[in-house]
Amino acid sequence: GESVGLHLPTLSVQEGDNSIINCAYSNSASDYFIWYKQESGKGPQFIIDIRSNMDKRQGQRVTVLLNKTVKHLSLQIAATQPGDSAVYFCAEGGFQETSGSRLTFGEGTQLTVNP
Amino acid sequence: NAGVTQTPKFQVLKTGQSMTLQCAQDMNHNSMYWYRQDPGMGLRLIYYSASEGTTDKGEVPNGYNVSRLNKREFSLRLESAAPSQTSVYFCASRRDRGTEAFFGQGTRLTVV
Repeated sequence: GESVGLHLPTLSVQEGDNSIINCAYSNSASDYFIWYKQESGKGPQFIIDIRSNMDKRQGQRVTVLLNKTVKHLSLQIAATQPGDSAVYFCAEGGFQETSGSRLTFGEGTQLTVNP
Repeated sequence: NAGVTQTPKFQVLKTGQSMTLQCAQDMNHNSMYWYRQDPGMGLRLIYYSASEGTTDKGEVPNGYNVSRLNKREFSLRLESAAPSQTSVYFCASRRDRGTEAFFGQGTRLTVV
């Protein structure tokens, strides 16, 4: 079936470095993507989203890139801080009426920031 | 503004027992979702409700039922709990398609 998945289960970076977390999706009809952060013992928290009519979207210290040709998106975190240590999930949910209301998550990437 | 509230936060059940997980949101959102998250895993969609009065199966609906009681509330019922249903359950809501979902803090369920 259709799924949203991640390339790497773990990522370790040094404080101050930039982090890149990748996500592959298989549903070519996907038109809306979200990145979430989940800290231990908590529910996922929204980071940033992007619609399929965009290639790039920037937030505070985060950038999401979408490559529809290869069905890939990435989350870039600038100047990674210890507080960024968490599990990051990408999710796919359509925004057009024909896309439906499902919201599907990938397996997640554990980001560890070393001081 | 409480957001998404789940009750209970923790629960231990014996195999075969039934229970209902409650979820309520105060953001006037149209869509609501139930997920389960097993240790070290991602979130798997159990059921969702695109709008009041509708419910649809997700990726792993077997063993569960749901009720969209009204616009605010979306409950998940386990009719006969099994050890395989030991997990953390998350409820989420969002205004509509193309918007982010907001999550509750989760219900940690253990079935022995």
